[in-house]
Formats: sequence, structure tokens, C-alpha cells
Amino acid sequence: GAVVSQHPSRVICKSGTSVKIECRSLDFQATTMFWYRQFPKQSLMLMATSNEGSKATYEQGVEKDKFLINHASLTLSTLTVTSAHPEDSSFYICSARDRWSGSYNEQFFGPGTRLTVL
Amino acid sequence: LAKTTQPISMDSYEGQEVNITCSHNNIATNDYITWYQQFPSQGPRFIIQGYKTKVTNEVASLFIPADRKSSTLSLPRVSLSDTAVYYCLVGVSGNTGGFKTIFGAGTRLFVKA
Repeated sequence: GAVVSQHPSRVICKSGTSVKIECRSLDFQATTMFWYRQFPKQSLMLMATSNEGSKATYEQGVEKDKFLINHASLTLSTLTVTSAHPEDSSFYICSARDRWSGSYNEQFFGPGTRLTVL
Repeated sequence: LAKTTQPISMDSYEGQEVNITCSHNNIATNDYITWYQQFPSQGPRFIIQGYKTKVTNEVASLFIPADRKSSTLSLPRVSLSDTAVYYCLVGVSGNTGGFKTIFGAGTRLFVKA
């Protein structure tokens, strides 16, 4: 149980295009999902917290107009990288917290999406 | 904000026990301590979680002293496949009143044959 999927697993796009990444909790409901970005040999950096039915909360320094997050259902959150540029190339990882979990630190991570912007 | 400090890297040999210690001096009363493992180009994988004393599962043990200002992840008899980055996490109060998780730098464990 507690599986989180991401789609696509990797994407290559041209500079200036927008890319949508989906994060799904397959066997549990997630009122909260998190989006991270990870550059090579670095730790995961939290970008935003996605809450079902409300606006996402972005970390300082993350442009909300560039990284659009939608959490329309209890099992799906999407991250759209708008007008992508080469510096947006990174590994994007989502995680989800089971709404019935008593521990807020218990997160289930997706396999990640490798974005390459040419 | 609870912040974690871990050694940047560790080397070990197959069959040895590895202990990775994490400092979290500002841990809050209701914070749990969670450890994750991450292989290259994969999402982190949950290893173990605890609140105090000792927790053991099929892959690791977690030792937490009474003051909870540190914790030690113990991996028994490591193998080459345990080469990965290990992250220690504690909860951080978010700006909406909820909680979020901030990753520290992690510890790169390299297991040699």
C-alpha cells in the first residue's frame, strides 16, 4: 500500500514551453502533497505544499506564477512549469501524506520526474 | 525551526554495521524523527520512524536518547546495495499552521566490497 506515482517519469522540452507533471496517490487519500526539486548531488528542496481544495503554499524564493500547482482531488496534484528554461531542468519529486495518518512526518514519495529543458 | 545535522559522507565495508547520527537540537515536543533512503534518480524511501527510545524494523534500528536532541540510524550488516543517501527529518511548522518537511543535506553512505 501507500504508493505514489508520477507522470511522466522523464520529459524533454524546448525552452519556452510549459510542462505538466502529475502526482497521484494510488491507494490512499492525500489532503496534503508536497513538491520538491532536486539538483544533481544536492538534497531535496521543498518548493510548495499542495492542499486539496485550496491554494498551494510556496516556499520563499519559489515563483508561484512559474510553478503552478493544482490539487483538485484527494488523489491528484499537478505541477506545471510554465515557460520552462534550461535552468528549470531538474528532478522533481512529489510526496503525499495519508489523510488518516497520525504522524505528519509520514510521507510517501513518488519516483520523481526528470525534466530537461533544451 | 527544527534543523538537522548529519555527517556529509560515510564509508563502510560489506557486512559491517553502520551507524549514522543526526543532531536535531530544536526538536519540538510533538515531532517524530523519520529516516529516508534515496538512490540516484529515485524518490526517497521510508526507512524508519520513532519518537523516543528504540525502534526496530526489518531493515534498521533507530536509537533516540531521552532528550531527543539526536538520533542514530543503525544499519546491520550493510551490503553494496545500501550505498545511498540517508536523510534524517523532523517536522517543521508551516506558515499555514500545518507541518512540512525540510530535508537536510543527508549522509552519503558508500559501501565497499
